[in-house]
Amino acid sequence: DIQMTQSPSSLSASVGDRVTISCRASQNINRYLNWYQQEPGKAPKLLIHSASTLQSGVPSRFSGGGSGTDFTLTISSLQPEDFATYYCQQTFTTPVFTFGPGARVDIK
Amino acid sequence: EVQLLESGGGLIQPGGSLRLSCAASGFTFSSYAMSWVRQAPGKGLEWVSTISVSGNSTYYADSVKGRLTISRDSSKNTVYLKMNSLRAEDTAIYYCARKYSSSWSDTFDIWGRGTLVTVSA
Repeated sequence: DIQMTQSPSSLSASVGDRVTISCRASQNINRYLNWYQQEPGKAPKLLIHSASTLQSGVPSRFSGGGSGTDFTLTISSLQPEDFATYYCQQTFTTPVFTFGPGARVDIK
Repeated sequence: EVQLLESGGGLIQPGGSLRLSCAASGFTFSSYAMSWVRQAPGKGLEWVSTISVSGNSTYYADSVKGRLTISRDSSKNTVYLKMNSLRAEDTAIYYCARKYSSSWSDTFDIWGRGTLVTVSA
C-alpha cells in the first residue's frame, strides 16, 4: 500500500504570507497527486489535480509542484478564506485511493 | 446546479445496519463513477468505496471490505452505501463524491455536504 505523509501537520501564518505545504508518497506515484481544501464544517474542495493543474475556478495564488514521491502546494499570498485544512491524495493506485493526513493552516 | 445530497445517517448501535443514499442532480449521473469518503470526528479523510459507471465493478478500502456495499440506481440518479456490522470506528461524516476521470487523472471533483453516522450503544 502507498502511504502519504504531509508536513507540517499545522502552521500559523498571516494574511499575505507565502505558505508551502509538502506531501510525500512512500513510493513513486508519477504525477498522480491531487490537492483538496477543507474549510471547517464544510466538504472538501478540489484545488489541484495531476500535481500542478489548477482546477477550474481556483484562484491563481494556489500552485502545485513535484513528481515521483515529493510534492508541494504553495499559496503565494494567503487570504482570509484560505485558512483551512489541506489534503493531498494519490490516485496512482486507482481505483483505490489514499489521502494524506492533512495540514491545517491557522491564523497567526 | 451540480449537486450531491446525502441522507440516511443517524445513531446506530454497534452491530447494526444502515443505508446511506446520495442523490445526484445537475449532471448526467450515468456517465460518472461515484465514491464514498468518510471523516471521523476531528480526523482526516478516508476513501471508503467506489462504484463504476455501469455499476458492475465495485472497490473498497480494506477497513470496510465485507461489511459495506456500494450500489447505484441510474433511474433514480442515486448511489447507496449499505453498512452492516457497524463498529464504533465507523463513526464519521460520510461524503458522497463524483469521480471524474480523464486520461491523466482521477479526481473527486464534486462533493456532497455529508451525512453523520454515529455508532454507539
